[in-house]
Amino acid sequence: QVQLVESGGGVVQPGGSLRLSCAASGFTFSSYGMHWVRQAPGKGLEWVAFIRYDGSNKDYTDSVKGRFTISRDNSKNTLYLQMNSLRAEDTAVYYCAKDQSAEYFQHWGQGTLVTVSS
Amino acid sequence: QLVLTQSPSASASLGASVKLTCTLSSGHSSYAIAWHQQQPEKGPRYLMKLNSDGSHSKGDGIPDRFSGSSSGADRYLTISSLQSEDEAAYFCQTWGTGRWVFGGGTKLTVL
Repeated sequence: QVQLVESGGGVVQPGGSLRLSCAASGFTFSSYGMHWVRQAPGKGLEWVAFIRYDGSNKDYTDSVKGRFTISRDNSKNTLYLQMNSLRAEDTAVYYCAKDQSAEYFQHWGQGTLVTVSS
Repeated sequence: QLVLTQSPSASASLGASVKLTCTLSSGHSSYAIAWHQQQPEKGPRYLMKLNSDGSHSKGDGIPDRFSGSSSGADRYLTISSLQSEDEAAYFCQTWGTGRWVFGGGTKLTVL
């Protein structure tokens, strides 16, 4: 069955950097687009970034453009999110999700918590 | 602007049915959406894709108690024979070119 396991979360100071990883299994990772979605404490879901199956196209929500970079290593079945210039408002649980036809999130991970605080 | 609107909360009794609503913004009434469930302290779970004509395709293992329907700009999720584990937040979601949008979510309480 599809498994998505996020890691790399933690506490970081404002202006700092963090790299999240998402290990995928149970499907042909190199054939599917992937997303990062976040959820601030007590809030709803917010889409963050998308990467095409081959890495040739990437999309970002406006609030993270120029600060976050999504990438993937299909040889390792792993998705990444490099987060720079972190702000307090980036504090959230970050989920990776498997894309279906660039439409919806077909499978989700359990999330990793990022806390930006001094 | 592509926006999805959901009521913040809903409640229904154990064994009863409930219908949750997600409304698409003006000019987007033909859009399909997806419904996702998030139980407390868990990651979300995909429930179904719901088209404007009411046809829907559910995720693996989603019980028949969950169904979808559409009317104009409204998209509905109906849960019948409510069980305690249905107490969760329910999010609708749609997509455009290079963007994906969520509704604010409805927190369902099973009484």
